[in-house]
Amino acid sequence: GENVEQHPSTLSVQEGDSAVIKCTYSDSASNYFPWYKQELGKRPQLIIDIRSNVGEKKDQRIAVTLNKTAKHFSLHITETQPEDSAVYFCAASLGANSKLTFGKGITLSVRP
Amino acid sequence: NAGVTQTPKFRILKIGQSMTLQCTQDMNHNYMYWYRQDPGMGLKLIYYSVGAGITDKGEVPNGYNVSRSTTEDFPLRLELAAPSQTSVYFCASRMDGTTYEQYFGPGTRLTVT
Repeated sequence: GENVEQHPSTLSVQEGDSAVIKCTYSDSASNYFPWYKQELGKRPQLIIDIRSNVGEKKDQRIAVTLNKTAKHFSLHITETQPEDSAVYFCAASLGANSKLTFGKGITLSVRP
Repeated sequence: NAGVTQTPKFRILKIGQSMTLQCTQDMNHNYMYWYRQDPGMGLKLIYYSVGAGITDKGEVPNGYNVSRSTTEDFPLRLELAAPSQTSVYFCASRMDGTTYEQYFGPGTRLTVT
């Protein structure tokens, strides 16, 4: 089955700096890659996703890039703010009727 | 819309007890999922359903059962609770079609002692 890995497990940045979180996946047939944000004690919420027919997608301060050859995708957050502090999960799936496989999550801390 | 709701929010069970975690969504979504989240870990899929009357196992189904008699409800049953089932349980749903976003409920924190 699919295996999704995230490294490192924690990341600390200064407010205003950029943060990059990387995920790798194992199944080359995977074609859908979402990123979920989970604040402490809250439910996960989708922040951005990308399909395999697209190399990059942006939404204001966040962007996701996909490298199908290397089987990795990354979340980019620019101009980080304290409210960006959370756990970020990446996931992968084979598409519409397929299950999501999640990584273990990365804890991002933004220092004011 | 209330979205995805779960009850209870918290529960403490003794080893060997049984309970049902409730999940309801009012978005008319056919796809529903149950995940567990252990500390420092990602979300592991327990069971999922693609519509009323259809369920299938996920990655970690042992010790759990589900049913889906209506589109709205997807209860998760623990028959003989074990300490290894201490976790936070999330229910999620998504619509059919080309939008794959899963909407999560607020979670149930379960402790088995």
